[in-house]
Amino acid sequence: QKEVEQNSGPLSVPEGAIASLNCTYSDRGSQSFFWYRQYSGKSPELIMSIYSNGDKEDGRFTAQLNKASQYVSLLIRDSQPSDSATYLCAVNKRMEYGNKLVFGAGTILRVKS
Amino acid sequence: GAVVSQHPSRVICKSGTSVKIECRSLDFQATTMFWYRQFPKQSLMLMATSNEGSKATYEQGVEKDKFLINHASLTLSTLTVTSAHPEDSSFYICSARGQPGAFSTDTQYFGPGTRLTVL
Repeated sequence: QKEVEQNSGPLSVPEGAIASLNCTYSDRGSQSFFWYRQYSGKSPELIMSIYSNGDKEDGRFTAQLNKASQYVSLLIRDSQPSDSATYLCAVNKRMEYGNKLVFGAGTILRVKS
Repeated sequence: GAVVSQHPSRVICKSGTSVKIECRSLDFQATTMFWYRQFPKQSLMLMATSNEGSKATYEQGVEKDKFLINHASLTLSTLTVTSAHPEDSSFYICSARGQPGAFSTDTQYFGPGTRLTVL
């Protein structure tokens, strides 16, 4: 079982719709969770972090965390063609030498105008 | 805030030469920097973690003598690809994580990446 799992997609949604991206993780002790967006040929950029169960909203983005189910999701409201990218879920993992992020393989999102 | 720069953004070199890539945190002090590699249409692969003033910790399968990492200050880390070969051609990305009290201590901010092509 992979430490962080995402559906690779592509997930296609029409412009203006809600895009729902999902991620599951295996380490029950994980405390910090992140969503990054990566455009083709570019580096990842941070969208949101979430640490507590429940929802966290930032503009058109809402992150949802359920530690009991080991599940984290990202909702994008009013999806725009510019949201078309690969979305990476990342979970902080404690190591002997410090923490490191474990990334999922990413979900490709395509927003059609 | 939380800006990370990388230089150069693109480099082309001949096989057998060494290439140095710089990663700088511009507006915060980075106690930890990370180096990733990404091949086309593949996931990010963590190469190594470096803490300021100490030796880097390399991921399994990454040759420490080939990929030299130096993190001499709280704002600068360098990755040197020694004796580069065509198979080292890839997109190299650094990220930085800050000190307690500066932004979020466990959030990583990525640089824009360096595209290396070895001929």
